[in-house]
Formats: sequence, C-alpha cells, structure tokens
Amino acid sequence: GESVGLHLPTLSVQEGDNSIINCAYSNSASDYFIWYKQESGKGPQFIIDIRSNMDKRQGQRVTVLLNKTVKHLSLQIAATQPGDSAVYFCAVHAGGTSYGKLTFGQGTILTVHP
Amino acid sequence: EAQVTQNPRYLITVTGKKLTVTCSQNMNHEYMSWYRQDPGLGLRQIYYSMNVEVTDKGDVPEGYKVSRKEKRNFPLILESPSPNQTSLYFCASSLSGGFRYEQYFGPGTRLTVT
Repeated sequence: GESVGLHLPTLSVQEGDNSIINCAYSNSASDYFIWYKQESGKGPQFIIDIRSNMDKRQGQRVTVLLNKTVKHLSLQIAATQPGDSAVYFCAVHAGGTSYGKLTFGQGTILTVHP
Repeated sequence: EAQVTQNPRYLITVTGKKLTVTCSQNMNHEYMSWYRQDPGLGLRQIYYSMNVEVTDKGDVPEGYKVSRKEKRNFPLILESPSPNQTSLYFCASSLSGGFRYEQYFGPGTRLTVT
C-alpha cells in the first residue's frame, strides 16, 4: 500500500519568510496529490492539488512541486503570515485498483512568529 | 450554505454499544469519505463512496460499517465500539466525478469509548 511521510513534524518561521513543507510518498503509481491545511478545532481545508503529469502548480501565495523521480512533494508558502499557522497535510492517491482511496501524511505543524 | 454536517459532534459511549455517526452534505457531491484522526498518525481513511450504493474500504476499515443509500448521506456505523476507536472522526465530500476535486470536510465528531 501507499505510505506517506513528512520530513519534519514542526516548522517555525518568521512572518514574511517563505515556508517549505515536504512530503515523501512510496508508490510510484500515485497519480494525484493534495495539500490540506487544518486549523485548531476545525476540519482540514483544501489548499492546492497537482496531478502526476505536472511538476509544478501555483495558487495564491502557494506553490506545489512534484518530483516523481524521488517521489517527493513540497508545498511552498510565500510571505508567510500568522494566519498560516496550522497543521499541513499532504494526501496521495494511489490510483489503479485503489481508485478513490487517499493516504494522508502525519502532518507538519507550521508556526509563524510575528 | 454549502456544507458537510456531522452528528453528534461529541459522543461518550461504552464498549459494545452500537452507535451511528451521521454525515450529510447539501452540495450534490458524488464522492464521500470517512476519516479518523489520531495524534501523530494524521488522517486515515476508513471508508469512501464514489456514488450511491458504491462503497470501498480505506486504510482502516476494521470495526466500521458504512452505507450510501442516498447521495447526500453517508453514515458511519460502529456495531461494537472498542476503546481503540476513541478518535476524532471527519466526514468529507467532493464534487461529481469522484475525489479529484476539492474535498469539503465536516466539523468533526469526537468519540470516546470507555
């Protein structure tokens, strides 16, 4: 099955800095990747996604990079703000016979200091 | 207002007493899913449903049942709850076409089994 890990459980940055959150996955057949943000006491919220036929996708202040060669995914947040403080999860879709099944990483706690 | 609702939000029960956590969405979404969230383990998918009458196991289906008789509802059933099912549960849904669209999460149900 798919396993999804994160390189760092916590990340602390200063307001205005750029943040990079990393995620590694194990299944080379994985075809869809998503980043979620979870604020304290709330359900996860979709940030951005990327399909396996892409290497990069940009949103508002966020960029997702996909390196299929090393099975690595990253989320970059530009000009990080205190409101970005939250837990960030990557989720991976394995595809194939597990169509519709998503595997989440353990999460990275991002703390932004004013 | 477009939303995913879960009931109850909090539940304390005893081992072996059957319970149901309801999930309902008003967005006409085809894909629905249940997750549990435990400290240090992130979100783990329990069951998912691509459409009415179609359900599949996620990574941790043991001890749970689901049904999808109507598009809007996706209840999670614990026939004989055990203490290791104490967790925070989230229901989620996404647009027609399956999971490859933004998933909207409910507010969560915190379950304690004693």
